[in-house]
Amino acid sequence: ETGVTQSPTHLIKTRGQQVTLRCSSQSGHNTVSWYQQALGQGPQFIFQYYREEENGRGNFPPRFSGLQFPNYSSELNVNALELDDSALYLCASSTGPESYEQYFGPGTRLTVT
Amino acid sequence: AQKITQTQPGMFVQEKEAVTLDCTYDTSDPSYGLFWYKQPSSGEMIFLIYQGSYDQQNATEGRYSLNFQKARKSANLVISASQLGDSAMYFCAMRDGAGNTGKLIFGQGTTLQVKP
Repeated sequence: ETGVTQSPTHLIKTRGQQVTLRCSSQSGHNTVSWYQQALGQGPQFIFQYYREEENGRGNFPPRFSGLQFPNYSSELNVNALELDDSALYLCASSTGPESYEQYFGPGTRLTVT
Repeated sequence: AQKITQTQPGMFVQEKEAVTLDCTYDTSDPSYGLFWYKQPSSGEMIFLIYQGSYDQQNATEGRYSLNFQKARKSANLVISASQLGDSAMYFCAMRDGAGNTGKLIFGQGTTLQVKP
């Protein structure tokens, strides 16, 4: 196990609702990256947080937002959920933005109906 | 644009045999990193092996080795002595060397099934 935890494990939401996913980074890690993995696809980079600031963003709309707290845990918020948001959401923590070692959590499976 | 291509949607291998999973990449950056991850059905991405673009030797980690052919832009994963527990999805990924986020770009993945 990597020491990275995510909650909840599974979640079912209705289109138009809002959702918050949580990630606790490994001890000593100050950087959290979030990825979206649709069924049968590779993960896609959503954004990264480093020392409580957004440090890079992938091709995702503004309704995907995040936060990082002083203890370096992080939240991913998605507003106005769409059916295509159904996916596995993975977070990965690392010792810095350029560290090649990223440790992934088990993911949150989001289903939007 | 940077891209990772995995052309094998699924592979079968007999237990104790070796298997090669293919990965090709495209980038114009001279500095980049290549990764392989294993994803069991539980969903967690498990880091297997890393190869830097300037590394002279192919990376090895236990039963995993990376066959890095820079001129061909390929980074194939070789798993020796396959075990039943190796059955999983395998992803090749590239790190954006130009940026400062360590953002990973993943391929589509290859499902590996190990037969007893």
